[in-house]
Amino acid sequence: DTGVSQNPRHKITKRGQNVTFRCDPISEHNRLYWYRQTLGQGPEFLTYFQNEAQLEKSRLLSDRFSAERPKGSFSTLEIQRTEQGDSAMYLCASRAGRFNEQFFGPGTRLTVL
Amino acid sequence: KQEVTQIPAALSVPEGENLVLNCSFTDSAIYNLQWFRQDPGKGLTSLLLIQSSQREQTSGRLNASLDKSSGRSTLYIAASQPGDSATYLCAVDSNYQLIWGAGTKLIIKP
Repeated sequence: DTGVSQNPRHKITKRGQNVTFRCDPISEHNRLYWYRQTLGQGPEFLTYFQNEAQLEKSRLLSDRFSAERPKGSFSTLEIQRTEQGDSAMYLCASRAGRFNEQFFGPGTRLTVL
Repeated sequence: KQEVTQIPAALSVPEGENLVLNCSFTDSAIYNLQWFRQDPGKGLTSLLLIQSSQREQTSGRLNASLDKSSGRSTLYIAASQPGDSATYLCAVDSNYQLIWGAGTKLIIKP
């Protein structure tokens, strides 16, 4: 499968715990995006990488959130000290060029108890 | 600030009908517009991408149009089928990110 993959697909955690999600983009895509989606809403932009450089971060990305893309390949999104309001679907997307289509992974559904 | 609106929020039609989904945006300075499909609890599947210089794109039974000057896009679905039931989202590429509508939930009744 050469699409975008995300792991885990589901994560249930207790409030206050740290969680980390992984995204593997399509191999030749140098741009990688993280979005968050809550029920009944469209996705909201979180952050964007071009190769290994994190170029943009949304104000939604509080200091409890950190994202990395070492070596410009896979990316991780970590949430520290999770809160119930962090419960959402976390989506990763990649694209080959600035004006190309974004292709999305299946998402990681986070539930914070 | 770019805002994207999709109307209606939900739509239910009998199988076989042609239908149109609407997307409007407030700032015409866009790079492109993309239509996606989302099945319940799943990720997003890209349907069509229209570059800012284009007026429409077609893929099978789907046709998307773009009118930048009026800030509108439509997604036309011909001969709808029960398998078309899903939420359809439009997203505008305004800068480095996609700005999304809330989607139209489409139900095709057999």
